[in-house]
Amino acid sequence: ETGVTQSPTHLIKTRGQQVTLRCSSQSGHNTVSWYQQALGQGPQFIFQYYREEENGRGNFPPRFSGLQFPNYSSELNVNALELDDSALYLCASSSDSNYGYTFGSGTRLTVV
Amino acid sequence: KNEVEQSPQNLTAQEGEFITINCSYSVGISALHWLQQHPGGGIVSLFMLSSGKKKHGRLIATINIQEKHSSLHITASHPRDSAVYICAAHGGATNKLIFGTGTLLAVQP
Repeated sequence: ETGVTQSPTHLIKTRGQQVTLRCSSQSGHNTVSWYQQALGQGPQFIFQYYREEENGRGNFPPRFSGLQFPNYSSELNVNALELDDSALYLCASSSDSNYGYTFGSGTRLTVV
Repeated sequence: KNEVEQSPQNLTAQEGEFITINCSYSVGISALHWLQQHPGGGIVSLFMLSSGKKKHGRLIATINIQEKHSSLHITASHPRDSAVYICAAHGGATNKLIFGTGTLLAVQP
């Protein structure tokens, strides 16, 4: 079975720009969760998508948005980038039949 | 107070030592995860527990549901075990992971 793949692995953007991060879910998983991990801190929950619909959201502004596709892959979009958006963005896929999570390796976003 | 707390925050050990990392949580959970993250890297899931004890190689994880406490043990530690170890509670009602702040482990040769 395939794992979770995130792309790109690294990205540098300028303040004010927009970015799209991508995540493929593990085969058999129908749920994708996105997390932001600032340097030296634990991951913070951004939102979760279940069967193409948002299924919970953390304390992040509306400029963080997402999508899930019929194949359960997902995108995280961030508009109007701010310097504080610089972080490691992690996605994890899971199934509604158990609580196991598979994490991707993350996308390192740097906003300058 | 964080819903999921770990101790210690930092741990330095000599190769071969037995290591214990603790996790306490204050929320109702469906499962508890132990995760490993190497510097600058992604997260690897080590264990998922809802009761009792699990063992994988030199790693052992235990959970006491009544006391809302879990431990991760590493036997015969090795420098390649150096990483951040994170416990994360799966909140059944919210269907999301609540992460602890992590324990930075350094195993010296």
